[in-house]
Amino acid sequence: EDKVVQSPLSLVVHEGDTVTLNCSYEVTNFRSLLWYKQEKKAPTFLFMLTSSGIEKKSGRLSSILDKKELFSILNITATQTGDSAVYLCAAPTDSWGKLQFGAGTQVVVTP
Amino acid sequence: SQTIHQWPATLVQPVGSPLSLECTVEGTSNPNLYWYRQAAGRGLQLLFYSVGIGQISSEVPQNLSASRPQDRQFILSSKKLLLSDSGFYLCAWSSGVKQPQHFGDGTRLSIL
Repeated sequence: EDKVVQSPLSLVVHEGDTVTLNCSYEVTNFRSLLWYKQEKKAPTFLFMLTSSGIEKKSGRLSSILDKKELFSILNITATQTGDSAVYLCAAPTDSWGKLQFGAGTQVVVTP
Repeated sequence: SQTIHQWPATLVQPVGSPLSLECTVEGTSNPNLYWYRQAAGRGLQLLFYSVGIGQISSEVPQNLSASRPQDRQFILSSKKLLLSDSGFYLCAWSSGVKQPQHFGDGTRLSIL
């Protein structure tokens, strides 16, 4: 059975801290891993990773994939209160693009 | 640019009543379309997906159904709602199976 596991489930940090979120996966035919940010409504797409060791970066957020150890990390540097959200990772489990999501990591950034 | 619309944003329905949630995508053609449900504090669970008009695949047995009457329209329905149908329902689209999915704002459904 395909599965995606995120850790930690939640964390609280102060503004300016760096946050590292983990996502491990077991997917029979691995194709890619995706990260989303969910505030109150729609998850918004952050990154899609397909190759090991190549960091993707967008502003203060970055992510990398390790296909040998079957995990990905999402880093947020110099956190701001606007980074408070649930961060979801997901992996397609078949050729139709069906996504298996992790339970998410809730990040709270305090001023 | 592409946009996805879902409505209503919130809905309160009695047990046993019917349901119809609608999702439309603009700015693209022949999108892959998906319905997810998110229970409180949990990840997203795929309910249905569609790769074309009239083509629906169901992932979880339940009293919900989906239809795709037009290329960019995806409808989630039920004839009789159960208490367990409460949750946050999200529609998503992608331009291809290897492309990321993009989500609508969701419908928060409460069953009384």
